Amino acid sequence: EAGVVQSPRYKIIEKKQPVAFWCNPISGHNTLYWYRQNLGQGPELLIRYENEEAVDDSQLPKDRFSAERLKGVDSTLKIQPAELGDSAVYLCASSPGGRVLHFGNGTRLTVT
Amino acid sequence: KNQVEQSPQSLIILEGKNCTLQCNYTVSPFSNLRWYKQDTGRGPVSLTIMTFSENTKSNGRYTATLDADTKQSSLHITASQLSDSASYICVVSARSGGGADGLTFGKGTHLIIQP
Repeated sequence: EAGVVQSPRYKIIEKKQPVAFWCNPISGHNTLYWYRQNLGQGPELLIRYENEEAVDDSQLPKDRFSAERLKGVDSTLKIQPAELGDSAVYLCASSPGGRVLHFGNGTRLTVT
Repeated sequence: KNQVEQSPQSLIILEGKNCTLQCNYTVSPFSNLRWYKQDTGRGPVSLTIMTFSENTKSNGRYTATLDADTKQSSLHITASQLSDSASYICVVSARSGGGADGLTFGKGTHLIIQP
């Protein structure tokens, strides 16, 4: 089966600019997650979707971050405006029922 | 507060040697514990998942153990290969109404295998 696909793989932007990440989960996986991973750290949950509903967005900085999952399949994560501290790897993961998460290879964001 | 502590932070061993990575957690109520392998520039990939009643599980040269009483887990790698060089992340799930919510990630152990 095809894995979780994320794009772009790398993104370099100047601070205060907007940026968007895209995720295509594994077909049939209802649960989708966005994580942020800083260097040398474990992933930190930003938002979790069950189909098209965001069921846990308590860690999402809502003043500048937004996410959507239209039709309960693909998802986009947006940052506007980006700050230097947003530099990290943004990982998308999907799961068919919550036990095993399947991760994409992430988008490495560098804010200059 | 739920926490997962991993040790060592980093480890260098020679190819062919064995090693053991440690994970201590304070997650309650406990549901399951997972070990993931993360290659550089890649997303984490699941190695094992263990529930409360399981105290050992193997996946090829990887063997995970779980002691739910002491809230400790270990990941043992036998006859290490260069491809084992990666970060190994321990993830503990808190029991809830369903789904994978309540996941607590460790910071990982960075393992380097030298030829």
